[in-house]
This record gives sequence, C-alpha cells and structure tokens, in this order.
Amino acid sequence: QKEVEQDPGPLSVPEGAIVSLNCTYSNSAFQYFMWYRQYSRKGPELLMYTYSSGNKEDGRFTAQVDKSSKYISLFIRDSQPSDSATYLCAMSNAGKSTFGDGTTLTVKP
Amino acid sequence: GAGVSQSPSNKVTEKGKDVELRCDPISGHTALYWYRQSLGQGLEFLIYFQGNSAPDKSGLPSDRFSAERTGGSVSTLTIQRTQQEDSAVYLCASSLSSTSTNEQYFGPGTRLTVT
Repeated sequence: QKEVEQDPGPLSVPEGAIVSLNCTYSNSAFQYFMWYRQYSRKGPELLMYTYSSGNKEDGRFTAQVDKSSKYISLFIRDSQPSDSATYLCAMSNAGKSTFGDGTTLTVKP
Repeated sequence: GAGVSQSPSNKVTEKGKDVELRCDPISGHTALYWYRQSLGQGLEFLIYFQGNSAPDKSGLPSDRFSAERTGGSVSTLTIQRTQQEDSAVYLCASSLSSTSTNEQYFGPGTRLTVT
C-alpha cells in the first residue's frame, strides 16, 4: 500500500464548476501538506502548503487538512480552462516529500 | 529572481552509455532534491541533499545511479550504463532548508530517452 493515495482521475468539469481533489495518507508523522500543479511537459509548481489540520484559502483555491482522518483536499472555485493540469498532493515530515500520483483535471469552456 | 534550472532539457542516449544531468538550484536554497517521473506516473524520490551531504539516498534505483553536490549549489545526477527503463523525466527541486516547511521549487526537468 502506498503512503499517499490519490485518485488519478481523469476529471472533466465545465468552466465555473467547483472542483474537489483529494488525497489520503497512512503516515501520521506527516506535518506539512502541499499541492502542486503540473502543466504538460513542465515541472510541478507549488500551489499551496498547509501545516496541521485546518483550512487555508488563496484566491479561488482552498486547501483543507484533516489529520484525524489522514485526508487532505484541494478545492477550486469558479474553475477556468487555464486550471486544466495535473494536480499532485505532497506530504512531508522533514527532508523528502512523498507525492501522490496526481489527478488530471480538464476544465471545458 | 532565477528559478531552478536543469540541463540538458532533452537527452537521447544509446543503451549502455553514461549520462550526466545537471541542476542549478535557487540561490540560497540549501536543500536540493532529485525525482524521476515516468510517463503518466507520479514523482519517484531519488535522493536529497542538505548542503553537500546526502542524508537520504534511499530512492536511488541501483548502483548505476549516483549524485553529488558541490559548493552547496550545483548538483549532478549520473546514470552509468543506461538501460531503457531509465527513460523518464528527471526533475530537480530546491527548498530553503530540508527542515523547514519543505516548500520545493521545481525545475523544468530533463527528458531522458534511452534507445
């Protein structure tokens, strides 16, 4: 069983929809939780990071961490075609990060 | 400021040849990470450096893979006697410190094709 599980999708939504992306994990030592966005043939780009349980909002993006359930989510409001990409969750204690396999999202105009 | 850069961007090599991949981290970042990403797959951790030391080499697939970092800056990943299964995108990332929030900033990657 992988330390981090992420639904690979693909996920296709109409423009303006609310998108929910999720990851579960098994290592209770993880303290830092990140979301990366990766466009085709590009390196991952850090989107958001959170520390411990709770919500963090940045514009149209909200990251949510529930450590008791070992579950993290990324919500995208008013999704745009430019949000079409692969989204990777990542978690760390210190040192290396452990990544999910990514969810591919397509937002259709 | 400049981000993480990697060279070459693409590398095609024959099976059995050695290749060297280079990573220039963001200035001032003490931690540097190497990952491998196969087509449609997630990121596979290879090795990370804190300064010039490599506390965790656990992800290196075999003894054909090695990495070094000098002067706390540039790092090279060397693959000896390349095999077709080594074909992948090799990504480098850097962060301020491996003991901080671990926000990693990635380079564009080197696409390696072994024929």
